[in-house]
Amino acid sequence: EVQLVESGGGLVKPGGSLRLSCAASGFTFSSYSMNWVRQAPGKGLEWVSSIIVNTGNIYYADSVKGRFTISRDNAKNSLYLQMNSLRAEDTAVYYCARWEGAATGLRFDYWGQGTLVTVSS
Amino acid sequence: AVRMTQSPSSFSASTGDRVTITCRASQGISNYLAWYQQKPGKAPKLLIFGASTLQSGVPSRFSGSGSGTDFTLTISSLQSEDFATYYCQQYYYYPPFTFGPGTTVDIK
Repeated sequence: EVQLVESGGGLVKPGGSLRLSCAASGFTFSSYSMNWVRQAPGKGLEWVSSIIVNTGNIYYADSVKGRFTISRDNAKNSLYLQMNSLRAEDTAVYYCARWEGAATGLRFDYWGQGTLVTVSS
Repeated sequence: AVRMTQSPSSFSASTGDRVTITCRASQGISNYLAWYQQKPGKAPKLLIFGASTLQSGVPSRFSGSGSGTDFTLTISSLQSEDFATYYCQQYYYYPPFTFGPGTTVDIK
């Protein structure tokens, strides 16, 4: 069974840092590209970042570029999101999601339960 | 970036109703579109990708159609477990992957 379990969320002051983790199981983690998607309280889904397994390409939303860093450790079956210079508008539930397929078959097919990040003084 | 819109933003329906949700892209995205269902406090769940391909395990009352800029998600007979928020997502032009603002279906 595919499982994605996020951790590392919490309360942090503006300007602070936090590192999120996503532990993967039930599939060959090293073979899949992965994503972070967030959802501010009461709002819709916002894609944050992706790390592509074949090319090593990394993508970021403009809203987090230069502040967030996505990474992975295939030996630990884990995905990470290092978040620096946090702002109030980064407050959200952060989900990791598996990237399956390509072209028209591309989709985010499995999602974790999310971890809440609150940026407040 | 491709902008996604959805209509309506919310509506009420009864079990057994046939419901249709519309998603529109600001530019043509072929059939590079997915639909997700999200219930309160839960993670999104993939329903459809490629505009019309049902994800494994998703009930056949869900269907998707469309290509280019206009897409629809249809639930042929609404069940109690279908009351939720539905999001479309384009993946033709990325980054960024962009989601629609969501459509909430609640009980009439």
